[in-house]
Amino acid sequence: GQNIDQPTEMTATEGAIVQINCTYQTSGFNGLFWYQQHAGEAPTFLSYNVLDGLEEKGRFSSFLSRSKGYSYLLLKELQMKDSASYLCAVLGDDKIIFGKGTRLHILP
Amino acid sequence: DAEITQSPRHKITETGRQVTLACHQTWNHNNMFWYRQDLGHGLRLIHYSYGVQDTNKGEVSDGYSVSRSNTEDLPLTLESAASSQTSVYFCASWAGRSTDTQYFGPGTRLTVL
Repeated sequence: GQNIDQPTEMTATEGAIVQINCTYQTSGFNGLFWYQQHAGEAPTFLSYNVLDGLEEKGRFSSFLSRSKGYSYLLLKELQMKDSASYLCAVLGDDKIIFGKGTRLHILP
Repeated sequence: DAEITQSPRHKITETGRQVTLACHQTWNHNNMFWYRQDLGHGLRLIHYSYGVQDTNKGEVSDGYSVSRSNTEDLPLTLESAASSQTSVYFCASWAGRSTDTQYFGPGTRLTVL
């Protein structure tokens, strides 16, 4: 079967760094996506990893280890607007499957 | 600019009625998807299509159907609406190349009374 796990909720402080982990077991692997979703809105694309290693994009970075079935999203210099849900999604053989998302709370 | 739209944005219906949710994209993407999102479940795939006349079942397809008569549209039909189908529905499109992201529509909030 296919399974994507990520923590349900996390809390961090404004200005700090937070790491959101994602582990996956899927039939086939053609890449891993991270999305941000604010309450009441559609998901928006953050990052894509298909090779092992770290991809940096401004305050956000995403890491992938295919051998471990593991990824993380790293958010630096947290801002209040980063309060949202973060969705890990894996592109398997023929479709994209989503995890349940991690709700990130930012404290002032 | 290319976009993906959904209509209606909000819908209230009664149990047993047939409901159709529209999805229209101007990205010219072959691949289109319907998801539902519920608290505690995340995004779950209902149906997807890889091109005109192609449709496939996702993990929660019971009670739903789709048809693909052209590239731009993938309407989702609830044959006989049930209260368990109260949810937020997202349509998405994707070029299919592994470096491209999915683009999501704004969502439709459906309430079945």
